[in-house]
Amino acid sequence: AQSVAQPEDQVNVAEGNPLTVKCTYSVSGNPYLFWYVQYPNRGLQFLLKYITGDNLVKGSYGFEAEFNKSQTSFHLKKPSALVSDSALYFCAVSPVGAGSYQLTFGKGTKLSVIP
Amino acid sequence: SQTIHQWPATLVQPVGSPLSLECTVEGTSNPNLYWYRQAAGRGLQLLFYSVGIGQISSEVPQNLSASRPQDRQFILSSKKLLLSDSGFYLCAWSPGLAGKEQFFGPGTRLTVL
Repeated sequence: AQSVAQPEDQVNVAEGNPLTVKCTYSVSGNPYLFWYVQYPNRGLQFLLKYITGDNLVKGSYGFEAEFNKSQTSFHLKKPSALVSDSALYFCAVSPVGAGSYQLTFGKGTKLSVIP
Repeated sequence: SQTIHQWPATLVQPVGSPLSLECTVEGTSNPNLYWYRQAAGRGLQLLFYSVGIGQISSEVPQNLSASRPQDRQFILSSKKLLLSDSGFYLCAWSPGLAGKEQFFGPGTRLTVL
């Protein structure tokens, strides 16, 4: 069975500074990897995904993530944080293979961007 | 474009009462459909998923059930709610292909008193 770890419950960063939200995963074989963002009392919004190819994936709102197979990590990054980036971020994994449409989510990391 | 609707947005129910939450998807056909529960604003627990009409897979045995009477309709039900059923319920859909992201509805906040 697959799993996702988001080791930080909360990340605080000053506005304008770079941000990183960490994610490591465990899966049999190759992974599909995803990042989602959730604002209070709202559904999850898709940010980006890694399927195959370039290890650096660019997504919505200036976010990017780097797939590192040897470290089984998929950290979310942004060069310059905005106050509006404050939200709950989820990493998710799905194994590559037939019928692999179920996602396993991490517990989430609360990002607070301080003005 | 595709949209996903959930209703109601909020619900307060007494213990022991029935439950019916509805989710519908527009703009696509043959989607995979999912019900999640999120407790305390944190992790998501997959409750049910469906790959077609009448096909329901349960991930966690519990007080809830799901049905898919139409291709783009997914219903979450309970005959008797428990206090522990309180939470934020999210419906999602994805294309029926591996490696595709899921798209989430706005959610239903259920409080059982």
